[in-house]
Amino acid sequence: DIQMTQSPSSLSASVGDRVTITCRASQSITTFLHWYQARPGKAPKLLIYVGSTLQSGIPSRFSGSGSGTDFTLTISNVQPEDFATYYCQQSYSVPYTFGQGTKVEIK
Amino acid sequence: QLQLQESGPGLVKPSETLSLTCTVSGGSISSRSHYWGWVRQPPGKGLEWIGNIYYSGATYYNPSLKSRATTSVDTSKNQFSLRLTSVTAADTAIYYCARVTSAITTQGAFDIWGQGTLVTVSS
Repeated sequence: DIQMTQSPSSLSASVGDRVTITCRASQSITTFLHWYQARPGKAPKLLIYVGSTLQSGIPSRFSGSGSGTDFTLTISNVQPEDFATYYCQQSYSVPYTFGQGTKVEIK
Repeated sequence: QLQLQESGPGLVKPSETLSLTCTVSGGSISSRSHYWGWVRQPPGKGLEWIGNIYYSGATYYNPSLKSRATTSVDTSKNQFSLRLTSVTAADTAIYYCARVTSAITTQGAFDIWGQGTLVTVSS
């Protein structure tokens, strides 16, 4: 199985900050890497797919980059509704695997 | 707008079978552009992929479930289902159904999710 490791596990940020979350795969996954936002009591939401493509309806302050084994999700100008847990997920090979999550909290 | 809704018992006894159904509305489950998948989240933990099914019946499962999971699709009802046998407390989780992209260049992203349903395994 491909292991997905996110860092940090949690972080504190203020509204308006720029936040960067990294995701590392245990082997190359080319660009088959997707990012999700999960809030308590709500279904996870796809933010970015295949590394850097913004899902329809997602604000442009979210961006993704990377290929191979190293990927980043950046939230520029963090808004109150962005405080949540973020997960990366690879679909390069079965079984699909998720990172352990990064919780973004209000400072 | 496409929507997914999970349904099924919220409480299952240990060693019994967990059965959930996902109803797709606002679109067809027979889409050639998508798979349909299941993901779960144990309380306080991360997300785990369970398996995917195509409208034709082709399936892919997470080997970690040791063949306990089975998915099926009913195109006449626009539904797909999950059965998980021999459940234990470790199977307690929120279970989500989701649509999965299947195009070669973008495959494997869960782009639309149901709200999730909590299933507790307890006697």
